[in-house]
Amino acid sequence: NAGVTQTPKFRVLKTGQSMTLLCAQDMNHEYMYWYRQDPGMGLRLIHYSVGEGTTAKGEVPDGYNVSRLKKQNFLLGLESAAPSQTSVYFCASMGGRENQPQHFGDGTRLSIL
Amino acid sequence: AQSVTQPDIHITVSEGASLELRCNYSYGATPYLFWYVQSPGQGLQLLLKYFSGDTLFQGIKGFEAEFKRSQSSFNLRKPSVHWSDAAEYFCAVGPMEYGNKLVFGAGTILRVKS
Repeated sequence: NAGVTQTPKFRVLKTGQSMTLLCAQDMNHEYMYWYRQDPGMGLRLIHYSVGEGTTAKGEVPDGYNVSRLKKQNFLLGLESAAPSQTSVYFCASMGGRENQPQHFGDGTRLSIL
Repeated sequence: AQSVTQPDIHITVSEGASLELRCNYSYGATPYLFWYVQSPGQGLQLLLKYFSGDTLFQGIKGFEAEFKRSQSSFNLRKPSVHWSDAAEYFCAVGPMEYGNKLVFGAGTILRVKS
């Protein structure tokens, strides 16, 4: 069972470069989320989606864009990477009922030099 | 505003000793509460969840949690800690408005000494 798969697992970028992180889930979940994790700050929500073709801003959306063209995929883009975006990024998905837990991928470790 | 507080950043316990990780929440209605565990280099794995009803819940790996509405707490416990329990633990509360979002605490890092 694949669950939630994130690619790539590691990446180093230079300031100003762009990249896209891919999240894929095979559980037919409606909801998908992108978080960043920084030491001592827990997980902070960047963007989320409540279904195919929808996206919404979370707590820390600045500098990121997302797209959900297919139900199973949720892409996170950095248009012009900054050192402050050095973090571990997690994707999660959840079924359609509000009492379901979120299922997490293994994360992408991103360093911006 | 909804929030989660995990007062202890680090906790160290001896193998075989009991464990309690604290979680306090602020939420306007009856919350859904979750405990997740994160091993180094891994994603978050669900330990247990609370939706309604009983106050004491059993999760995986021998963990349990007690919901106390009067204290707005959802503390995680384990009677006897194993070295493999060393990890970071996160408490979360939801659902948050549109999108069924969760709010996470800052986490507690558990160290187990032999």
